[in-house]
Amino acid sequence: ETGVTQSPTHLIKTRGQQVTLRCSSQSGHNTVSWYQQALGQGPQFIFQYYREEENGRGNFPPRFSGLQFPNYSSELNVNALELDDSALYLCASRRADSRYYGYTFGSGTRLTVV
Amino acid sequence: GEDVEQSLFLSVREGDSSVINCTYTDSSSTYLYWYKQEPGAGLQLLTYIFSNMDMKQDQRLTVLLNKKDKHLSLRIADTQTGDSAIYFCAESEDNAGNMLTFGGGTRLMVKP
Repeated sequence: ETGVTQSPTHLIKTRGQQVTLRCSSQSGHNTVSWYQQALGQGPQFIFQYYREEENGRGNFPPRFSGLQFPNYSSELNVNALELDDSALYLCASRRADSRYYGYTFGSGTRLTVV
Repeated sequence: GEDVEQSLFLSVREGDSSVINCTYTDSSSTYLYWYKQEPGAGLQLLTYIFSNMDMKQDQRLTVLLNKKDKHLSLRIADTQTGDSAIYFCAESEDNAGNMLTFGGGTRLMVKP
C-alpha cells in the first residue's frame, strides 16, 4: 500500500481564479472524501465520491466540484476563488466493501488565496 | 444541525495522564472517533467507539462515552512528548467513517 498522496503541497492563487487539487489513493480505494480545514479549525466535509459519482455533499456551494477516476485518483475543483477558500484541503479514501473503518487521509494541500 | 465541541488547549507534564473532552449534539451519531494531527501531516485515526459502548481501551488510550450527556473523552496514559499534537473528535452516522463532523480540535502540549 502506498497511502494517499496529494498534490501540490502548497499553492497560491488570486481571488477569482480557478484551482484543481489532486489526490492519488491506494489501489482498491473506491470511496474518496474531501475536507476543508481552515486555520485553527477542524476539517469540514465537502463531498464524497463512490465509483466516480458524488454520493454525499456537505454545506459547500456548487463552485466546489470533484471528479473521481477509475485509476483511484480524484480531483477537487474550486471556481471563482474567494479569500475564505484559503485552507488546508484533505483527501481521504477507503475501500467501500471493507468490514472495518478504513479511511486513510493524505497530508493535504495548503491553498492560499490572495 | 450537528455540532461537535472541544476545549482549545491542554498542557500536561510528561508521564502524567491527559484527558481530552468532547461534546456532540447529534443523537443519531453511530460512531465517534478520535484523530491526531501533527504539524504538516494529515489526520491519523487513533481509535473509535460505537455508540452502544461505554468504554474502549487500546493500549495507552481509553475512550469513555456518556451517551446520555453526549460527552466523549480520550484519556492518554503516561503522556509522552511525542503525543504533542492537535486531537480531534468526530462523529458519523455510519460505521465506515463517512461524512465525518469534526470538532475544532484540542491542542495538547506535553512538557518534559
